[in-house]
Amino acid sequence: NAGVTQTPKFRVLKTGQSMTLLCAQDMNHEYMYWYRQDPGMGLRLIHYSVGEGTTAKGEVPDGYNVSRLKKQNFLLGLESAAPSQTSVYFCASSYLAGVIKNEQFFGPGTRLTVL
Amino acid sequence: QQPVQSPQAVILREGEDAVINCSSSKALYSVHWYRQKHGEAPVFLMILLKGGEQKGHEKISASFNEKKQQSSLYLTASQLSYSGTYFCGTDESGGYQKVTFGTGTKLQVIP
Repeated sequence: NAGVTQTPKFRVLKTGQSMTLLCAQDMNHEYMYWYRQDPGMGLRLIHYSVGEGTTAKGEVPDGYNVSRLKKQNFLLGLESAAPSQTSVYFCASSYLAGVIKNEQFFGPGTRLTVL
Repeated sequence: QQPVQSPQAVILREGEDAVINCSSSKALYSVHWYRQKHGEAPVFLMILLKGGEQKGHEKISASFNEKKQQSSLYLTASQLSYSGTYFCGTDESGGYQKVTFGTGTKLQVIP
């Protein structure tokens, strides 16, 4: 059981380049999330998904797109990277149990630097 | 809107106690607590639900005051392994799965 995995672990981009971050979970969780973490800002939600084929905006969605074509995968795309997107990105997943929000399982993170 | 955590940072000696507070300006359905060690991913500690139900950690306790929209995390007889940044997450909806995290409280336990 690998839990939540993220690819890649590190990446350096130049301004204007694009990339996709991959998140995969093997726990059959319904819900998946993408967060960014910046010093002093905590974890801020970028986008999330409540099931295969569905996505929704979080607190800081601008400049990012997501897709959830398969239940186990959640992709985060940056179409034209900017230095303000330099951050550590965490993916998380959680399971459905009525209306009670359950614990989120986090991946190891991707450290992205945009020059 | 992000919940407000206090203090922002605290240093303890082994064996000392600490309280971390989390407050929101909105009515809450539940409060979640996570701990993140340096360079690692956040790890779940506990959830406190409206109505008093609690799920969580055997050595760390917490309270949830629904009327004041506040939660407190109690770390007693701290150990070196308690060091890390503690985040509270608040849930205002009780419906779809979205939690808003605070900016964190950095806790350092020294020998």
